[in-house]
Amino acid sequence: KAGVTQTPRYLIKTRGQQVTLSCSPISGHRSVSWYQQTPGQGLQFLFEYFSETQRNKGNFPGRFSGRQFSNSRSEMNVSTLELGDSALYLCASSLLDRGSTKTQYFGPGTRLLVL
Amino acid sequence: GQQLNQSPQSMFIQEGEDVSMNCTSSSIFNTWLWYKQDPGEGPVLLIALYKAGELTSNGRLTAQFGITRKDSFLNISASIPSDVGIYFCAGHNTGNQFYFGTGTSLTVIP
Repeated sequence: KAGVTQTPRYLIKTRGQQVTLSCSPISGHRSVSWYQQTPGQGLQFLFEYFSETQRNKGNFPGRFSGRQFSNSRSEMNVSTLELGDSALYLCASSLLDRGSTKTQYFGPGTRLLVL
Repeated sequence: GQQLNQSPQSMFIQEGEDVSMNCTSSSIFNTWLWYKQDPGEGPVLLIALYKAGELTSNGRLTAQFGITRKDSFLNISASIPSDVGIYFCAGHNTGNQFYFGTGTSLTVIP
């Protein structure tokens, strides 16, 4: 099976712009989570989508939003970019099984640089 | 959000040595995962643990799910240069969110 794919891999934007990142989960996986990773803060949870519904949300401002499509592909959007939004954005997909335990697989990430 | 206590923060070892790292939490988890991340790449899943007391191996890697369900450890035997990277633990409970350790940076000296 193909793994989690993310596009684009690298992105440079300027302050005030907005950006949309895309994630395609592993085939059959319906849960998609987004994370922000920075050297100082580590892996920070943004939100999780399951069956097109946001199921969980981390502690990020409303400038960070996301959505999931019927084919489980997901996008996240960051509006009014700030310098501090520079980070590696990771998408992870998982298969929810009967025991409600799940294994999460990460994509390669999108490296965003805000100038 | 909650972060797991992972130690050590960094390790510098000679090639061929064994490595041990662990994660502890104040909460009970149903799943423990261990990942390795290379610079600029996404974390790669190494081992998944689903039951308290479970001991699982993946080649030279061995991980255990602590009996209290609040900790897990990862061992790497006979380290080689390609083991270099950052290792993360992740825990999952009855909620829908994963919590991550702060990472252990491993350097292997040839």
